[in-house]
Amino acid sequence: KNEVEQSPQNLTAQEGEFITINCSYSVGISALHWLQQHPGGGIVSLFMLSSGKKKHGRLIATINIQEKHSSLHITASHPRDSAVYICAAETSGSRLTFGEGTQLTVNP
Amino acid sequence: DAGVTQSPTHLIKTRGQHVTLRCSPISGHKSVSWYQQVLGQGPQFIFQYYEKEERGRGNFPDRFSARQFPNYSSELNVNALLLGDSALYLCASSSTGQETQYFGPGTRLLVL
Repeated sequence: KNEVEQSPQNLTAQEGEFITINCSYSVGISALHWLQQHPGGGIVSLFMLSSGKKKHGRLIATINIQEKHSSLHITASHPRDSAVYICAAETSGSRLTFGEGTQLTVNP
Repeated sequence: DAGVTQSPTHLIKTRGQHVTLRCSPISGHKSVSWYQQVLGQGPQFIFQYYEKEERGRGNFPDRFSARQFPNYSSELNVNALLLGDSALYLCASSSTGQETQYFGPGTRLLVL
């Protein structure tokens, strides 16, 4: 069993839909990261959170420390949101352990 | 300001060869981390360096080594390349290694 698991692996949505990607982790963490990876490999950090909820534009990230679970929500999804979304758990020594990623495709 | 830069962008090698990948962190960042991402999988942690000292090492064989220079740039070296070393190698920098990491575009290595 991976230390960080994401679901779903693949997600297809229509433009405008509300999207949720889930992340569960089994290790003790100092922070939980959500990252976006576009075709070609470039990775952008979206959120780093250790408690509660953060919002940036149409993106919302939440974390429940007791349940070791985090979610990434995208409101009013758009085709340009199509990318791989990766959850990563930051453990001791600032090491990141990554999930397998969720491939999101938003169709117009 | 320039972000994290990596070179080369693409590289093709044959089994048994050696490769050196380079990373320049964001100006002022003293921590560099290296990750390997095999196609279809999430990245795997290889090394973290801070102030030229190795701070962490992932579960990779001794064929993988790295170093950080006084200007905080870093090199990742892989000896005796195997087909399975084909991957995207990502470098990330942060100020102290204790906060958000900023990723470079990666070096795509293909071993034939």
